[in-house]
Amino acid sequence: EPEVTQTPSHQVTQMGQEVILRCVPISNHLYFYWYRQILGQKVEFLVSFYNNEISEKSEIFDDQFSVERPDGSNFTLKIRSTKLEDSAMYFCASSLQPNTEAFFGQGTRLTVV
Amino acid sequence: KNEVEQSPQNLTAQEGEFITINCSYSVGISALHWLQQHPGGGIVSLFMLSSGKKKHGRLIATINIQEKHSSLHITASHPRDSAVYICAAKTQGGSEKLVFGKGTKLTVNP
Repeated sequence: EPEVTQTPSHQVTQMGQEVILRCVPISNHLYFYWYRQILGQKVEFLVSFYNNEISEKSEIFDDQFSVERPDGSNFTLKIRSTKLEDSAMYFCASSLQPNTEAFFGQGTRLTVV
Repeated sequence: KNEVEQSPQNLTAQEGEFITINCSYSVGISALHWLQQHPGGGIVSLFMLSSGKKKHGRLIATINIQEKHSSLHITASHPRDSAVYICAAKTQGGSEKLVFGKGTKLTVNP
């Protein structure tokens, strides 16, 4: 069964460092998303991406965040200068259309120290 | 702003019991998702529905659009059903984002 894969599963980084979280969406999907979940809190929307551009973003998704689809398969989330409060589980998701089922990856646990 | 509320927050059941988890939302939606999150953190999609009822194995999801309410039922619960169950709503009006509830932590004891 096709699945969304994320790497790494766990990343520890020093405050101020840049991190790139990687995702391989399901191959025929066209819409891609990043969500995050701070420990003990709700999952929150960060950004959606379609046709090589951001289609929607939340207020969390400020200038330190960026997304890219550098080739036909990967979808990345870059955090430029990490802060302690960026520590969270980051989930990538993809869907065929915006109103079809979204499939989630297993998440990347980011720990900023 | 769409608020998604779930109840109960925590639920403990004995194996074999019938489980109901409730979700209510405050604005019109285009679709509602039920998701399962295991202790490792990964999220699995269970259902997406915009009307009526869907069934998959021992899981049943229903939605009442007029009442802005959805339920997830688990029949003949089993310890392997222990997880956090989350509902998430996609608002009408073209937004692509899902708005998540806080989740219901289900523990099924043998």
